Amino acid sequence: NAGVMQNPRHLVRRRGQEARLRCSPMKGHSHVYWYRQLPEEGLKFMVYLQKENIIDESGMPKERFSAEFPKEGPSILRIQQVVRGDSAAYFCASSQHGGYSGNTIYFGEGSWLTVV
Amino acid sequence: GESVGLHLPTLSVQEGDNSIINCAYSNSASDYFIWYKQESGKGPQFIIDIRSNMDKRQGQRVTVLLNKTVKHLSLQIAATQPGDSAVYFCAEKPTGNQFYFGTGTSLTVIP
Repeated sequence: NAGVMQNPRHLVRRRGQEARLRCSPMKGHSHVYWYRQLPEEGLKFMVYLQKENIIDESGMPKERFSAEFPKEGPSILRIQQVVRGDSAAYFCASSQHGGYSGNTIYFGEGSWLTVV
Repeated sequence: GESVGLHLPTLSVQEGDNSIINCAYSNSASDYFIWYKQESGKGPQFIIDIRSNMDKRQGQRVTVLLNKTVKHLSLQIAATQPGDSAVYFCAEKPTGNQFYFGTGTSLTVIP
């Protein structure tokens, strides 16, 4: 069974460019979560999506960040006009069911974004 | 906001000893908790979970204890091995869709 697949694993962007991070959930999972991790810090929730729907985006910055999970294909986290402060590890997680108690989420290996 | 903290940011143990990693959480409404292990350059790996209607759960070499009275969670690793060296995060889930993570405890196993 394939786990949560993220790509690219490492991405370097110049300030002002766009970054696109992709996530394919585990087989049978239809719920996707994106988290951001700064060095030496814990994971910060960004957004929770189901197929074609954003369920909770309370952790997303108001500008430049967007996420989608189309009917077909992976979930995409898009960061426009990147700045150095966007440099971080971005983790995707998936779950079989939605956000109720007891619902375990499984993480991918992360995408490391470096803005130069 | 939520607060999930760890009592010790770093922990060093001798190989073969038992390790105990502690976690305090702030939301008494949290009813589900997970421990994750994260090795350098990798994603968090699920270790063990516990619901609030339990106070203890055991896995392979790991035990999670939950004390709801003082809002405290601990992870016990028996016979710690070098491969256990990693950062360990506890995560709590109150109502809603988010898990809240602590900053992590770095465990170093000394051969």
